[in-house]
Amino acid sequence: DVKVTQSSRYLVKRTGEKVFLECVQDMDHENMFWYRQDPGLGLRLIYFSYDVKMKEKGDIPEGYSVSREKKERFSLILESASTNQTSMYLCASSFVIGEPYEQYFGPGTRLTVT
Amino acid sequence: KNEVEQSPQNLTAQEGEFITINCSYSVGISALHWLQQHPGGGIVSLFMLSSGKKKHGRLIATINIQEKHSSLHITASHPRDSAVYICAALLTGVTGANSKLTFGKGITLSVRP
Repeated sequence: DVKVTQSSRYLVKRTGEKVFLECVQDMDHENMFWYRQDPGLGLRLIYFSYDVKMKEKGDIPEGYSVSREKKERFSLILESASTNQTSMYLCASSFVIGEPYEQYFGPGTRLTVT
Repeated sequence: KNEVEQSPQNLTAQEGEFITINCSYSVGISALHWLQQHPGGGIVSLFMLSSGKKKHGRLIATINIQEKHSSLHITASHPRDSAVYICAALLTGVTGANSKLTFGKGITLSVRP
């Protein structure tokens, strides 16, 4: 079974803190994605990466950065956390080669910024 | 207008009922992904299909490319089917290194005992 794990299920941080969310997958997937999920807005793509050290902006990259130093690990960084970044954060991964590029999701991290 | 639409936002059913959840899209797609999310939980992939029909247990997914429409059917529904069901489209022309999904907002299903 594909396994995508995230470093924390729940996280509480203060405004202005630097926050690291980590995602690890064990299926040798090339693609990795970071989403946030908010009520009424659904899933929105923050960043994705199709290879080590490669990254592409998604629909809402402002206030976030990412790091992919190893194939299995994709980190989301909130440089200076703000209250409007309180959300559920979900990581996903998929193959680059081999349609139909089904994505596998982690359990999510519920981040609260106070 | 969202490229992937799901409605209604909330759906309630009685245990044992046959349930249909619909998804329509306005753009060309190469595949459609059905996902399930239980309260407080992560997202589980149910199906990814580009034509016809797929079945897994009590779940059946169909897609009609010409009509730009997909349905997820649940037979003999059970309270444990209560979850958010999300459809997501893989747009035409997307390659593996750019295989982003376009998501619907999800439908919250409640199955009463």
